[in-house]
Amino acid sequence: DGGITQSPKYLFRKEGQNVTLSCEQNLNHDAMYWYRQDPGQGLRLIYYSQIVNDFQKGDIAEGYSVSREKKESFPLTVTSAQKNPTAFYLCASTELGGVSISGANVLTFGAGSRLTVL
Amino acid sequence: SQQGEEDPQALSIQEGENATMNCSYKTSINNLQWYRQNSGRGLVHLILIRSNEREKHSGRLRVTLDTSKKSSSLLITASRAADTASYFCAIPGGTSYGKLTFGQGTILTVHP
Repeated sequence: DGGITQSPKYLFRKEGQNVTLSCEQNLNHDAMYWYRQDPGQGLRLIYYSQIVNDFQKGDIAEGYSVSREKKESFPLTVTSAQKNPTAFYLCASTELGGVSISGANVLTFGAGSRLTVL
Repeated sequence: SQQGEEDPQALSIQEGENATMNCSYKTSINNLQWYRQNSGRGLVHLILIRSNEREKHSGRLRVTLDTSKKSSSLLITASRAADTASYFCAIPGGTSYGKLTFGQGTILTVHP
């Protein structure tokens, strides 16, 4: 079955440690996204990538880093520079064909990774 | 920023009743999407409505879009306990292809 796999589902981190969240998709989608969700709030965009070896900062990129070495993979590293990393992290992907500047295609989401800083 | 704002923030109803959620936005768009999120899970796409459409149906869901008022509504008819979830509207980001901006969502609780 096609979809997006995020791992780990739960992750605990000590302050000062970097952690990497995995996101893999087998949908052959062009673009991939990382969102952060805090309790009772909407999703905020961290980083996105529309093509291999290229990515763009979203609204809250500080303290995070990403890579896009393969089309199917878009890992997110939460660095020690992120002051409040405890949150639910969601990865998503979409095709870009036929999209105009004021439109967007449907996103497919992974099940999420919950990061807790101890 | 181009973010949808949902209203109400929370909605509590009985099974069988209808649930209506609203979304307002600020700039021109050519489509708007609605997503559902069960507690602790990823989001699932429900419906996409284009700017040249006024209303769209999918099963028990009805979505309207009023581009003159920059608003959309999601109606769930004959609600069920299984409809309990958070519902988000999503607006194209406007500065990059394929980017979506999400509102804060409406938490819907359907009591059996």
